[in-house]
Amino acid sequence: DAKTTQPNSMESNEEEPVHLPCNHSTISGTDYIHWYRQLPSQGPEYVIHGLTSNVNNRMASLAIAEDRKSSTLILHRATLRDAAVYYCILAYGGATNKLIFGTGTLLAVQP
Amino acid sequence: NAGVTQTPKFQVLKTGQSMTLQCAQDMNHEYMSWYRQDPGMGLRLIHYSVGAGITDQGEVPNGYNVSRSTTEDFPLRLLSAAPSQTSVYFCASSPPSVFNPYEQYFGPGTRLTVT
Repeated sequence: DAKTTQPNSMESNEEEPVHLPCNHSTISGTDYIHWYRQLPSQGPEYVIHGLTSNVNNRMASLAIAEDRKSSTLILHRATLRDAAVYYCILAYGGATNKLIFGTGTLLAVQP
Repeated sequence: NAGVTQTPKFQVLKTGQSMTLQCAQDMNHEYMSWYRQDPGMGLRLIHYSVGAGITDQGEVPNGYNVSRSTTEDFPLRLLSAAPSQTSVYFCASSPPSVFNPYEQYFGPGTRLTVT
């Protein structure tokens, strides 16, 4: 499976936008990009996924580079509840039954 | 819907003991998976299933057995517990998703300590 690289940690201020980067230079044409987050002492929760085009949902936006070697998760207005570990995951064919998690990015949100 | 439920929430075992972690989902999802998460680490896939009667190994399957006799349940068995299996265990489920991705739903986890 292709690997992803994320910063270990990032900080943001409440109500400001947050851009969480992910590098995946060995991505294949059939790999989907998934983002999950894990709040303290909870199981991971789905955030968003995409293949080639940028995607928006109620939680976030996903911007995918034209060459697909990197992507950025965008939280438009960070809240204290967004403090979590964010995982960028590549999944062959988008298959969600065998996600390979890395160590993710720990996002701290300051009031 | 209760979603994905896991029992027990906490468990302490002695080395060599066996036990079964229970996982159930009421969303009629065909895909189910087990992960473990060690302190400060990401999740690692133990076993997964694409439907009743079908299971396969993930990244770290040694020391664990699974079976899938129904769509709803996917128990994880520790055959002979070792301190290295001290971890938080998460179960997850999703609809079939190859080339048609769905979100994976995770349970609240079971915190296991092996002494």
